[in-house]
Amino acid sequence: DADVTQTPRNRITKTGKRIMLECSQTKGHDRMYWYRQDPGLGLRLIYYSFDVKDINKGEISDGYSVSRQAQAKFSLSLESAIPNQTALYFCATSDYKLEQFFGPGTRLTVL
Amino acid sequence: QKEVEQNSGPLSVPEGAIASLNCTYSDRGSQSFFWYRQYSGKSPELIMSIYSNGDKEDGRFTAQLNKASQYVSLLIRDSQPSDSATYLCAVNPNSNSGYALNFGKGTSLLVTP
Repeated sequence: DADVTQTPRNRITKTGKRIMLECSQTKGHDRMYWYRQDPGLGLRLIYYSFDVKDINKGEISDGYSVSRQAQAKFSLSLESAIPNQTALYFCATSDYKLEQFFGPGTRLTVL
Repeated sequence: QKEVEQNSGPLSVPEGAIASLNCTYSDRGSQSFFWYRQYSGKSPELIMSIYSNGDKEDGRFTAQLNKASQYVSLLIRDSQPSDSATYLCAVNPNSNSGYALNFGKGTSLLVTP
């Protein structure tokens, strides 16, 4: 079984809709991250969490929110999706060594 | 802004050759360095981590770190067509503070048969 899972894997939605991307991990790591990847822009950090009570904004948090429901679960929400949020979204986890392990990604299209 | 710079490529090498991928970073206090491989449409996969100056070898891969020059590289020996992918360099600005990683935009490697 995969150590880091993401649901859904693909999603097409319309402008203005609220959408939630979910991430679960069985690696036992405390630290979890959300990134988006766009062609030519690389991986950009949206939010990160070092434990259940700790949430931090990343480079591009505007338009996004997160919830750390448990050590193993970290969700990303788009409150009102817009077309420029069309991207590939990755969840990642790490331990104290900071080696990050990525989920398979969610391809999100906002029409 | 803590920058991590990579040549976007593509870097083209013949099968069996050594591929050399380079990365520079701006934060002199950086402590931890990572190389990831990413196939098109897939998630990044950790190849190597390096924390101290010098070389670290793992199979066909060697990571090299020079903190004085703020430079980290990845050598791939006996390159195979299956090594064709984008390679991402990632840097942690300060391990003790727990900062998240800064990623470069990646270098595209093409290994030709």
